[in-house]
Amino acid sequence: DTGVSQDPRHKITKRGQNVTFRCDPISEHNRLYWYRQTLGQGPEFLTYFQNEAQLEKSRLLSDRFSAERPKGSFSTLEIQRTEQGDSAMYLCASSQQGLQETQYFGPGTRLLVL
Amino acid sequence: AQKITQTQPGMFVQEKEAVTLDCTYDTSDQSYGLFWYKQPSSGEMIFLIYQGSYDEQNATEGRYSLNFQKARKSANLVISASQLGDSAMYFCAMREASNSGYALNFGKGTSLLVTP
Repeated sequence: DTGVSQDPRHKITKRGQNVTFRCDPISEHNRLYWYRQTLGQGPEFLTYFQNEAQLEKSRLLSDRFSAERPKGSFSTLEIQRTEQGDSAMYLCASSQQGLQETQYFGPGTRLLVL
Repeated sequence: AQKITQTQPGMFVQEKEAVTLDCTYDTSDQSYGLFWYKQPSSGEMIFLIYQGSYDEQNATEGRYSLNFQKARKSANLVISASQLGDSAMYFCAMREASNSGYALNFGKGTSLLVTP
């Protein structure tokens, strides 16, 4: 049973550059979430997809952030014009809608903006 | 307002002993779910245990059990027979029925160190 995968695992970029992260959910899961985690904090919700529809976005998701989930499969999270404050771990999770619904997380992408 | 409070930034426990990690939550929903995740230094969040607000029995999963006290709004994680591999950050999280995004609200976590 393949879990959630994320690529890349690490990314170092210079301020002002664009970066894109990919998340492949567990294949039968219809919901996909992106979270951001900074040092010493728990993950914070960014956005959520049900199938291919983006249904919820956090206030944390500024205009520089965009996420897609074409065809309801993998998802991408793009950050344009990166800032040093974007340095964080970006976590993807997926779940199957239903009772006792549980989100399963990927290994995360660590972003460092210099 | 903080939805999930974990008051213990760090805990120590000796191998083979039991340890309790505290979690209190704040919600006005009648229907909600409580979760515990483990995050090793590698960064991946590993699901441990789930408790639904309507569940009358405390949840158990192997060495993990959840001490659910609804009136006190607490959902403490108990790890029995600690192992060195249990050393990690532990996060309590809540999903509320009123949250249309079904997102999880996480606490700040507790760092657990298991010593030989």
